[in-house]
This record gives sequence, structure tokens and C-alpha cells, in this order.
Amino acid sequence: DGGITQSPKYLFRKEGQNVTLSCEQNLNHDAMYWYRQDPGQGLRLIYYSQIVNDFQKGDIAEGYSVSREKKESFPLTVTSAQKNPTAFYLCASSPWDRGATGELFFGEGSRLTVL
Amino acid sequence: GQQLNQSPQSMFIQEGEDVSMNCTSSSIFNTWLWYKQEPGEGPVLLIALYKAGELTSNGRLTAQFGITRKDSFLNISASIPSDVGIYFCAGNPTNFGNEKLTFGTGTRLTIIP
Repeated sequence: DGGITQSPKYLFRKEGQNVTLSCEQNLNHDAMYWYRQDPGQGLRLIYYSQIVNDFQKGDIAEGYSVSREKKESFPLTVTSAQKNPTAFYLCASSPWDRGATGELFFGEGSRLTVL
Repeated sequence: GQQLNQSPQSMFIQEGEDVSMNCTSSSIFNTWLWYKQEPGEGPVLLIALYKAGELTSNGRLTAQFGITRKDSFLNISASIPSDVGIYFCAGNPTNFGNEKLTFGTGTRLTIIP
């Protein structure tokens, strides 16, 4: 079945450590996104990529980094510079040729807890 | 960024009741969408609206794109236990690219046995 796979589902990290969250999609979508979700808040965009080897900062990119070396993969690194990294992270994709429909396909999320 | 006010924040209803929730914006959107998120999962698209005044149904769910383009409503009729979750509205102010998509803060729906 086609879809988006995020891993790990749960991750614990000590302060000062970098961690990388994986996101893989087999939907052949051009665009991929990373969102952060905190309790009682809407989803906030961290980074997005519309094409391989290109990505752009979203609203809250500080302390995060991404790469897009393959169409299927868009990993997110949460660096030690992120002051409040404990959150639920969601990866999404959308078919670029459908323009700005807002129709995103989400993974199941990764919950990061900093100890 | 733009702000979406979604209300109510939470709802406690009995099975079989109808549900209404809404989203308002201080600025115009070209697209309104409604997503549902279940615990520990990612959001799933329920309904997408592309035209002011549009009324669209998906089973027991009905959503409307407000005439002013600054609001949207979602109604659920005859609620059932599997309707439990968090419902998010989302709006896109542009016709090209999803990076400007703005999400509401969510309405948490709980069904009382």
C-alpha cells in the first residue's frame, strides 16, 4: 500500500544531542513537509521541499535541518540548538502537480521527548 | 503568520447527537479543509472546499466554505464512537503551493457513553 512512513514512533533524547527523524513516502509525491505539533496548538511548518535537492524554511526552522537527496525521503534533524524540542513531529507529502489544494498526506508521527 | 480561531476547543456529547464546529480567520482564504486526527496518528483529510459558498458532504459530515471566505463550518450528524478525535480546520491563502497552509488549534471531540 502507498503511504508515508515515519520512524521512530517514539524517541527519547538527552539534552545536547542531535536526533534524526526519518520520513519515507512511496506516493510519488513531489512536495514534502515537516510540521511540529504541540498540545492545544495548530500544526506549525518547520521545513518544506517541492523538489529533490531543494528545500525551504518554514515558520519555525530554527534549530532544525533537513535534506532531500531522494524524492522518497525527507529526514529531519533536531539539533541541540532547538531550545524546546519535545513535541510530536509530523511529516506530510502532496502531489505538486495539483497545485495548492491543501490536501496533505500525513505520516503517523514521531514523538520526541527530551530528558 | 495568519491566525485561525477554531471553536469550540472541546466537546463532550452523547452518541447520536449532532456536532457543529467552526473556524474563523482575520484574512481571506482560497481553500478551506477539515482534517481529523486520532490519538498517536497523523491527520487525515475529511473534506476540502475550493469555492466561497460551497457546501460539501462526506457521509455524515458536511462542511461549508463561508461566503466571506473568512470562515468555514463542519457539522457531524448522528455521532458514533469512531468520531472521537481532534478535528482541525486549515486554510490556504494562495492558489499555488501548500507552504502557506494554516491550521486551527483543533476541536477535541469526546463521546460520552
